[in-house]
Amino acid sequence: QSVLTQPPSVSGAPGQRVTISCTGSGSNIGAGFDVHWYQQLPGTAPKLLIYANSNRPSGVPDRFSGSKSGTSASLAITGLQAEDEADYYCQSFDSSLSGSLFGGGTKLTVL
Amino acid sequence: QVTLRESGPALVKPTQTLTLTCTFSGFSLSTSGMCVSWIRQPPGKALEWLVRIDWDDDKYYSTSLKTRLTISKDTSKNQVVLTMTNMDPVDTATYYCARSSSGSYSDFDYWGQGTLVTVSS
Repeated sequence: QSVLTQPPSVSGAPGQRVTISCTGSGSNIGAGFDVHWYQQLPGTAPKLLIYANSNRPSGVPDRFSGSKSGTSASLAITGLQAEDEADYYCQSFDSSLSGSLFGGGTKLTVL
Repeated sequence: QVTLRESGPALVKPTQTLTLTCTFSGFSLSTSGMCVSWIRQPPGKALEWLVRIDWDDDKYYSTSLKTRLTISKDTSKNQVVLTMTNMDPVDTATYYCARSSSGSYSDFDYWGQGTLVTVSS
């Protein structure tokens, strides 16, 4: 059972906007640790999508954005495209575990 | 260009010890802030962080698997080795190694392609 909670699935039509939430606690997100997001296309390794809450690595479209507030974080995807269909994971550090942890993942379906 | 590649057996028997090697290039694990982690993903399930080794040889283990894991590095060979004892079918997963470049709390900016390990008799 992940300490970071994500919705199992979200969906949206092409061109729409979707958000994926990541809810933690006072020992991880709420303690001020950064949240990072990964995209995992079917059959491939995860790819860093957003780092340190809201920063995009080079090459990631600005359709992807991240935010953090309190004990939660969110990933927003605007202008949804078929190629965005993937699993998305949030990740942070937990002081009580003294290690990294991932959310349970969210499957994005583009209708 | 940063690359990581996992290698090891595709099949292990229950109770055996698994040894996986992560061979990397494009960075040095002796550089301050550099870390390499092992992360696994059972088929159809979520990612699970297992262990991390830092540039200064500090090591951090998942609390749930700590007694079964050992991580080490060979800086001269650009390799990180993971051993996991007493393997069980529930340990069947794709095992990834991944790099962090800004210490303990940072993201995993580069990943290996992963290696599927099946535990079965």
